[in-house]
Amino acid sequence: KAGVTQTPRYLIKTRGQQVTLSCSPISGHRSVSWYQQTPGQGLQFLFEYFSETQRNKGNFPGRFSGRQFSNSRSEMNVSTLELGDSALYLCASSLDETQYFGPGTRLLVL
Amino acid sequence: AQSVSQHNHHVILSEAASLELGCNYSYGGTVNLFWYVQYPGQHLQLLLKYFSGDPLVKGIKGFEAEFIKSKFSFNLRKPSVQWSDTAEYFCAVNNNFNKFYFGSGTKLNVKP
Repeated sequence: KAGVTQTPRYLIKTRGQQVTLSCSPISGHRSVSWYQQTPGQGLQFLFEYFSETQRNKGNFPGRFSGRQFSNSRSEMNVSTLELGDSALYLCASSLDETQYFGPGTRLLVL
Repeated sequence: AQSVSQHNHHVILSEAASLELGCNYSYGGTVNLFWYVQYPGQHLQLLLKYFSGDPLVKGIKGFEAEFIKSKFSFNLRKPSVQWSDTAEYFCAVNNNFNKFYFGSGTKLNVKP
């Protein structure tokens, strides 16, 4: 089976812009989670979607949002970008309580 | 709030040395436990996991971990590390609600 794919892999934006990241889970996986990874902070949980519904949410501001489509593909959106949003954004799909990660999208905000 | 602590942030070993990375979690209920590894330039990969049964679990590449419920710990071990084990290691816990908590990671540098 193909692994978790994320697009784009790299992105450069400026402050105030918005960005949309995409994640395609492993076939058959219905749960998709998003994380922000930064040096020193590790992986910070953003949210989890299951069957098009947000099931869990982390402690991020409302500028961070997501959605899941009927084919389990997910997108996350960050509005009004700030310099501190520069990070690696990871998507993970899960089956049987185990998460499998994609390569991530590296976002740089200038 | 639940948390996962990895006390060693950076470990440097020589090849053939033994490795033990600590992981402690704070959650009193039933948990599933994981170790993930992130090699330089690669994405996070599952190393091993514990759901139930034998508290000593074996993973890929010679790694193992022991779940000690009374200590809320899930330490990762390898008897003899190789240069190719240089990576960042993350401990993770998930509870009944499928919410995952990750430790801050331990960077392992193995000197040839």
